[in-house]
Amino acid sequence: GQNIDQPTEMTATEGAIVQINCTYQTSGFNGLFWYQQHAGEAPTFLSYNVLDGLEEKGRFSSFLSRSKGYSYLLLKELQMKDSASYLCAVRDSNYQLIWGAGTKLIIKP
Amino acid sequence: GAVVSQHPSWVICKSGTSVKIECRSLDFQATTMFWYRQFPKQSLMLMATSNEGSKATYEQGVEKDKFLINHASLTLSTLTVTSAHPEDSSFYICSARATVDYEQYFGPGTRLTVT
Repeated sequence: GQNIDQPTEMTATEGAIVQINCTYQTSGFNGLFWYQQHAGEAPTFLSYNVLDGLEEKGRFSSFLSRSKGYSYLLLKELQMKDSASYLCAVRDSNYQLIWGAGTKLIIKP
Repeated sequence: GAVVSQHPSWVICKSGTSVKIECRSLDFQATTMFWYRQFPKQSLMLMATSNEGSKATYEQGVEKDKFLINHASLTLSTLTVTSAHPEDSSFYICSARATVDYEQYFGPGTRLTVT
């Protein structure tokens, strides 16, 4: 079956760096996505990786290793507004998005 | 960026009634739209995928006669929850994809409460 694993919850301090990991097993692979979702709101797109390596976008970076079925989202210079759930999703061979359960990130002052 | 709207943003209805939720792509044509449901503290669950002009493809366990999806134009898809029950209370989110690219654009969601 298809499976995406990510930690349920993480806590970090304002100004620090946090890494959220995601491992996946899917039927085919056509890209990995990270979304941010604040409580009561719809997800918003953060990043997309289809080739191995690191994609940097401002304070956020995303890494992919296809051979290991592994990705991480790195958030630097954490701000209180970064408190949210972070969803990892993989597009499979049918171009369907398979979603992880999300990681709730709590930022403390 | 591309904008997707949903209407209504929240709705309260009585058990046994039907509710229609609209999803519109405002500045692009969406050949494919997706409907998700999210219960509190849970992840997104894909309900169905609809392509313009054809019948929707429902995920396993989703009753197609209860959740009617219409994607009659390239900018509008509707989800009708028929004979709603309290267990249908949830956050319903649509997303739209213009072409086979890598990004889905999400609507703001509709919170449905069935009393």
